[in-house]
Amino acid sequence: QVQVQQWGAGLLKPSETLSLTCVVLGTSITDSSWSWIRQSPGKGLEWICEITDSGTTNYNPSLRSRVSISVDTSKSQLSLNLTSLTAADTAVYYCARRPGRHYYYMDIWGRGTTVTVSS
Amino acid sequence: EIVLTQSPGTLSLSPGERATLSCRASQRVYAKYLAWYQQKPGQAPRLVMYGASSRAAGVPDRFSGSGSGTDFTLTISRLEPEDCAVYYCQQYDDSVLTFGGGTKVEIK
Repeated sequence: QVQVQQWGAGLLKPSETLSLTCVVLGTSITDSSWSWIRQSPGKGLEWICEITDSGTTNYNPSLRSRVSISVDTSKSQLSLNLTSLTAADTAVYYCARRPGRHYYYMDIWGRGTTVTVSS
Repeated sequence: EIVLTQSPGTLSLSPGERATLSCRASQRVYAKYLAWYQQKPGQAPRLVMYGASSRAAGVPDRFSGSGSGTDFTLTISRLEPEDCAVYYCQQYDDSVLTFGGGTKVEIK
């Protein structure tokens, strides 16, 4: 059974960098594409970025300049870095699986990591 | 970037009633690129429909999806109390993924 477990710093200050990690269990991380998605308090879902099964990275144009995504295959881990944080980055951050290049939906989601940006 | 607009914002219905949720795209979306998610408070989203009309594993058959082009619909034929949630549509186009703003389904 495929599972994803997430962790990362929960309280950060403005201008700092957010680093989040997601570990993938029960499948090879390179068999699928992986996304980071966030949800601000009381708001909808916002896709941040994706790394495909072939290693291609895709970004939300509005966040591209501050975001990086990577995979460590040896640890089966997915990582997100988001720089120059502001209060607007306060959200629950999810990692999620897109099963492969010919699938266009997320079928497995992590439980989410709550991130608060405050001075 | 394709913008998805969901309506209504909130749907308040009685158990057993039919719920019809709309998702309208700013440009044509191929049906295979359209999905729906259910999100309950404090939980991660759960896939309910993909390819516009295919139910995800474990989703009851009272859920159905339809549509093409710019207009897509998620229908819950007979509302159950456990269907209370926010529902989001999502599309994938040109390596960019977007979500609609969501429809909240409430039980009267």
